[in-house]
Amino acid sequence: KQEVTQIPAALSVPEGENLVLNCSFTDSAIYNLQWFRQDPGKGLTSLLLIQSSQREQTSGRLNASLDKSSGRSTLYIAASQPGDSATYLCAVNRWRVGTYKYIFGTGTRLKVLA
Amino acid sequence: DAGITQSPRYKITETGRQVTLMCHQTWSHSYMFWYRQDLGHGLRLIYYSAAADITDKGEVPDGYVVSRSKTENFPLTLESATRSQTSVYFCASSERTSGDEQYFGPGTRLTVT
Repeated sequence: KQEVTQIPAALSVPEGENLVLNCSFTDSAIYNLQWFRQDPGKGLTSLLLIQSSQREQTSGRLNASLDKSSGRSTLYIAASQPGDSATYLCAVNRWRVGTYKYIFGTGTRLKVLA
Repeated sequence: DAGITQSPRYKITETGRQVTLMCHQTWSHSYMFWYRQDLGHGLRLIYYSAAADITDKGEVPDGYVVSRSKTENFPLTLESATRSQTSVYFCASSERTSGDEQYFGPGTRLTVT
């Protein structure tokens, strides 16, 4: 059974710091992995999608990497800003009997201090 | 450019009542999903649909019913609400397959008293 873990559960950093969020999964047979941002009381916003054949994806100050063999993905945020404060979720999309299903981690709650 | 919308955004109901949560998307995406989000459990898939009139169970389907008569709508019904169904419910869609990027609605916060 695929399990997705995000450590730490919460993180507080000063503005301007570069930071890394971690996502670990137990089954390397994944189709893709998606990183989301969730603001309090809001839905999930897609940040980056990495296909299983890719090693990384970049969007602005965000860079996500994927290492299937070790069951890890990292989300790198450069020059963090208070507006980056949110919960970050990773979701692993696994293939099973002709369909795909996302398994979500429980998230890392990030607070960037001004 | 509405994307994916959910209604109501907040709902309080009593145990045993039937309640329907609505989800509407304007992209004509093939796949639609219902998740619930609870503290300590993260997001869990309730039901999903590959196209109109095609639905399938997810991880936690008990107590829920879905239908999809039109591509753009995917209502979720709690036939007899229980306190354990108090949660935040999210609808999502993806374009062609369930392996594509998923887009989420704003959520419905449901409280069962």
